[in-house]
Amino acid sequence: ETGVTQTPRHLVMGMTNKKSLKCEQHLGHNAMYWYKQSAKKPLELMFVYSLEERVENNSVPSRFSPECPNSSHLFLHLHTLQPEDSALYLCASSRWGQALNTEAFFGQGTRLTVV
Amino acid sequence: AQSVTQLDSQVPVFEEAPVELRCNYSSSVSVYLFWYVQYPNQGLQLLLKYLSGSTLVKGINGFEAEFNKSQTSFHLRKPSVHISDTAEYFCAVSSGGTSYGKLTFGQGTILTVHP
Repeated sequence: ETGVTQTPRHLVMGMTNKKSLKCEQHLGHNAMYWYKQSAKKPLELMFVYSLEERVENNSVPSRFSPECPNSSHLFLHLHTLQPEDSALYLCASSRWGQALNTEAFFGQGTRLTVV
Repeated sequence: AQSVTQLDSQVPVFEEAPVELRCNYSSSVSVYLFWYVQYPNQGLQLLLKYLSGSTLVKGINGFEAEFNKSQTSFHLRKPSVHISDTAEYFCAVSSGGTSYGKLTFGQGTILTVHP
């Protein structure tokens, strides 16, 4: 099993739908992240969770709602999205803490298309 | 605030030729630097990282990078590329502290290796 697993790999949803993206890490990390990769734009950090608490929200619209029930799982709940939200959503995890840091390990992403 | 500039959006090269992918960064604090690679329809894989110590770092697949503090650069090099190196490469910076997972990315460089 890979270290960081994202499901589904592909998702097509209408603007009025509600869906969720799931991320699971098997690396024993204590921090998880959502990144957005849009065409022709740099990867953007959306949310950061450390020890299951949200420590950063980079001005992300409220139609994106993250949830971190435990250190191994991270969700991104989606509702009333716009076509411009179509992108590759990448989950990552790392160890968080002075002298314990690791680099970020990424999942394979969920390709989201909003129609 | 931090920023990363990858100076070339696309780099075509012939197989077995050397390649350099350029990255410049700006930051008001100490930085930690990373190169990630993304193959089509995949997530990001770490190639190499600079955290401290020797400014020449070696990574996987024969890649290396040199941290140059005076020029605020972290260029990626490989002496002889293979077809399988065709991918998109991302330079990223973290301010470190408690997390190397909070990354600011460059726009990416698409490396295309021709036979």
